This record gives sequence, structure tokens and C-alpha cells, in this order.
Amino acid sequence: DQQVKQNSPSLSVQEGRISILNCDYTNSMFDYFLWYKKYPAEGPTFLISISSIKDKNEDGRFTVFLNKSAKHLSLHIVPSQPGDSAVYFCAAKSQGGSEKLVFGKGMKLTVNP
Amino acid sequence: ETGVTQTPRHLVMGMTNKKSLKCEQHLGHNAMYWYKQSAKKPLELMFVYSLEERVENNSVPSRFSPECPNSSHLFLHLHTLQPEDSALYLCASSQDRASGSQQQYFGPGTRLTVT
Repeated sequence: DQQVKQNSPSLSVQEGRISILNCDYTNSMFDYFLWYKKYPAEGPTFLISISSIKDKNEDGRFTVFLNKSAKHLSLHIVPSQPGDSAVYFCAAKSQGGSEKLVFGKGMKLTVNP
Repeated sequence: ETGVTQTPRHLVMGMTNKKSLKCEQHLGHNAMYWYKQSAKKPLELMFVYSLEERVENNSVPSRFSPECPNSSHLFLHLHTLQPEDSALYLCASSQDRASGSQQQYFGPGTRLTVT
């Protein structure tokens, strides 16, 4: 049973527009959430994170929103750029000091020039 | 340069072969991980080492055998694999828990094909 779900396998947006990537989770013990970006033939690279004590974290063009009651988080990229085209993974971590990250399946974002 | 390197980048092996994957991190981290990424599946955690001690083994078959000789190096020894073990194997590292950093840094992965 998947604890972290990225239900849309892909998203295509126009350059300059907003990209919204969604992620749902089922485990209420998760208290830290991360987004990773992965280009082909490379490993995932960390993008942005949010702790469960916050509902928003912003870093430049990237903003992550957390809705704990809905067990939902989203990544907003604005404005989108062609270089943002990659696979984006949502990941979550639970309380208790475990180092284990639980990942979603990933979503492929394509930003068209 | 991600700070985490993996060799080889590609590996093709028969089911009776024995091979090893190598990971090295240059970030001064104390925890290292092996993940498996199969097509259309989430990254699956296989093993976690913290301060060179295995702290988690996610029900991985014994044909995968990890080794962590020091905090900078991690190996995954492979023997008598099955075709379904073909996947991208990713290594990652992170700072220890006391530092408060929860981010993992990934290597580029080894694309393994079992024939």
C-alpha cells in the first residue's frame, strides 16, 4: 500500500506559466516532506522541503504548501522554465528519528518553450 | 558534482554472476542508503547505514548483500540475481540526525540489467 501518492504521472505547461505538482499521503505520522527533482541519467536532487509545523515554504520560484488536515502537499513553480522539465518526486519522513524517506512514484513535468 | 559518486554507471550481468556496486560520498556524512528504482514504481529503500552500522534492512532478499567499511564508502554485493532485479540502484547519504539535516544527497545511480 502506497503511503505517498503522486496520482498524475505527467504534466505539461507553457513556459512562464505556473506548474502545480500534487502529492497525497496516508500516514499521519509523517512530519517532514521533501521534493526532489530528477533529470535523466542523474540521481534525484533535493529541491525544497517543509516541516509539518508549517503550511508554506518558499524558495525563489518554488513554493511548497502543506495541508495537514487533507494530508496533501503541493509544489508550485512560477514562472515555469524549460529547464524545470524533469521528474519530480514527493517524499515524506515520519517522527521517531528514523532516516527512512518514503517516496512517491514521481511525476514528469514538461515545460514547453 | 553531487558529492556522491557511484560505479559502475551501467552493469549487465548474468544470473550466475557475482558483481559489486560501489558508492562513495565526499560530503562528510554519517548515514548512507541503498535504494532501488524499478520502472513505474516509487524509490524503494533497501538498506540504511548510520555510523557504519546497518540500522535498517527493508526485507531485501539475501542475494543483495551490503557492506559499509567506513562512513564514506558503501557497497552492494550482488549474486545469483533474477531478471526482475533489473533496475536503477541509487546510493544516497545524509548528515547525522544530531545536525538536524533531513536531506539526502543522491548519486547518479547504477543501471543494472540482469540477463
